[in-house]
Amino acid sequence: DVKVTQSSRYLVKRTGEKVFLECVQDMDHENMFWYRQDPGLGLRLIYFSYDVKMKEKGDIPEGYSVSREKKERFSLILESASTNQTSMYLCVTGETNTGELFFGEGSRLTVL
Amino acid sequence: AQRVTQPEKLLSVFKGAPVELKCNYSYSGSPELFWYVQYSRQRLQLLLRHISRESIKGFTADLNKGETSFHLKKPFAQEEDSAMYYCALRSSQGGSEKLVFGKGTKLTVNP
Repeated sequence: DVKVTQSSRYLVKRTGEKVFLECVQDMDHENMFWYRQDPGLGLRLIYFSYDVKMKEKGDIPEGYSVSREKKERFSLILESASTNQTSMYLCVTGETNTGELFFGEGSRLTVL
Repeated sequence: AQRVTQPEKLLSVFKGAPVELKCNYSYSGSPELFWYVQYSRQRLQLLLRHISRESIKGFTADLNKGETSFHLKKPFAQEEDSAMYYCALRSSQGGSEKLVFGKGTKLTVNP
């Protein structure tokens, strides 16, 4: 059973704070993604990575950065959090052959 | 550009009625399409992929390349089908692959 674990389920931060969202997977998947989920906007891709130390911008990368130092770990960083980054963040891994995605439970971030 | 459109944000049906969640896509390549579902307080999970042509929980979806659609259908809706449904398109970008999602349809099945 694939496990995608996000370190924090709920976070509350202040504007300007640096925020780290950590994600670990145990299935040796090469592809990992960070999405944000907002009502009425669906899931939007922030960044993805298909190998260690590799990263690609998604559709809404502004204000975010990522780190993939190890295959199983993919971190999302908000250098200076803003209120419009209040959202649910989903870490996802993907099987290369089938394209099937596996989702973490999500991290709900509130920026005050 | 790749795009997935789910025209209905909300869909409400009665138990036992047929249900169809619409999905249209635009993609210049050969499409691979998926339906993902998120039940209340649970993580997103795969429901169907068009390649496998299977029926899961009574749901089916047929890829219609002429109409560029991948609508999700169930002949008799159940209350436990109430959930958020996302249609997704697998696309290639510079040698790497990603999924593009529609904005989702919230299905409510009333007793």
